[in-house]
Parts: sequence; structure tokens; C-alpha cells
Amino acid sequence: GAGVSQSPSNKVTEKGKDVELRCDPISGHTALYWYRQSLGQGLEFLIYFQGNSAPDKSGLPSDRFSAERTGGSVSTLTIQRTQQEDSAVYLCASSLEGGKETQYFGPGTRLLVL
Amino acid sequence: AQKITQTQPGMFVQEKEAVTLDCTYDTSDQSYGLFWYKQPSSGEMIFLIYQGSYDEQNATEGRYSLNFQKARKSANLVISASQLGDSAMYFCAMRRGYQKVAFGTGTKLQVIP
Repeated sequence: GAGVSQSPSNKVTEKGKDVELRCDPISGHTALYWYRQSLGQGLEFLIYFQGNSAPDKSGLPSDRFSAERTGGSVSTLTIQRTQQEDSAVYLCASSLEGGKETQYFGPGTRLLVL
Repeated sequence: AQKITQTQPGMFVQEKEAVTLDCTYDTSDQSYGLFWYKQPSSGEMIFLIYQGSYDEQNATEGRYSLNFQKARKSANLVISASQLGDSAMYFCAMRRGYQKVAFGTGTKLQVIP
């Protein structure tokens, strides 16, 4: 079946603007994760959804970052008043409940804040 | 808190040789899962192998095997018969329950013809 999809694949924005990043998980996957990967760095956990609720928001770097998930499927990560340090690749992953819960990653959104 | 450590920022291996990528972890939990992912230059994250903390046998997936030493808290990835297409970043990760997954900083593997 289809994998995790993310849009847009690339986004260039000006400092101070708001951006929305979208993630469409694998159908039937109840868990959804957002990560950030800065150039040459590992993955930084941002937020985790189980269904539509987010039991763990501890990774959001500031109150400019928010995320929601509707219908237990699509998720949107919103960054308000973007800053240059927000430039990174934003990766989304989804997994099934139970079992090995392997996370399957989307291709990412490359965000550049000028 | 959980922490993943990958001490090798970069590794070289000759084509067709085996290579071991190191990963150690720190957790007080008894139940956890360990993962290895590959990230080629294209940027996508590709799942390679999984080891559960209660699994008694080391996980294997084709040319990939995970050398799990629970007492030492290590979960090294072994790639046998390296291929040029194995050149990539490799990330070790740990998940506790349904909660967030912690990733290591990665090891860049380069396979030499």
C-alpha cells in the first residue's frame, strides 16, 4: 500500500511568516510522530500522536510550534512567526499499535527560512 | 530519560567486507525496543532491523544482524558483505512503550570499491 506522504516536499519562506506542514500516514496506523533533522544532525523528537490526542508534546521547541491530527489520520505541524533556526527537514513517521511498532517515515519537508 | 550513543561519526569499509556500527543505550526500563535506520543521501529514513528487549535471539534481516548485549546495553548493527549501495547514514534508535523514540547522532558509512 501507499507509504507515509508529506507535503510540501520543499518550502521556502520569509522570517516571520507562518508555515503549515502536512503528513498523511499509512492507512490504519494509529501512532504518528513528528521529528526535526537539522543539517548533518540526528533526529530531534517533536511530538507524538496516538489517534487524535497528543500524550507527549515535550519535544516542541517553543510555543510557536503546534500540531494537530484529525480523524486519526492526517496531521498538520504549524510553525508561527518562523525564524531562521527553524530551517531543517521535518520528518513524519507512523506506526501500528502493538507488535514491533516499526516507524515508517515519510520523505520529509525541507524548510528554509530566509 | 533515555539516551542513545553512537560513537563513530564516520566509518569506511571495503566492498564485500563486513562492518559493525556501534550503538549503546541508557535506560532503566525493562521493556524497550531498539531499531536501526538507514538514511541515504536522498534523505528518506529506511527501517532496517528491530530488537525487542525480551527477545532472546539476535535479530537478523538479510545482510543485517543486530548484536544485542543486554547487560552491556549495546545494540550494534552488523552489515555483512558490504555493497556500494550501503553507503549512507545509519541511526540507532530506542523506543520505550508507546512513547517517543530517541535517536542517536548517526554514523556515516562509506563503502569503498
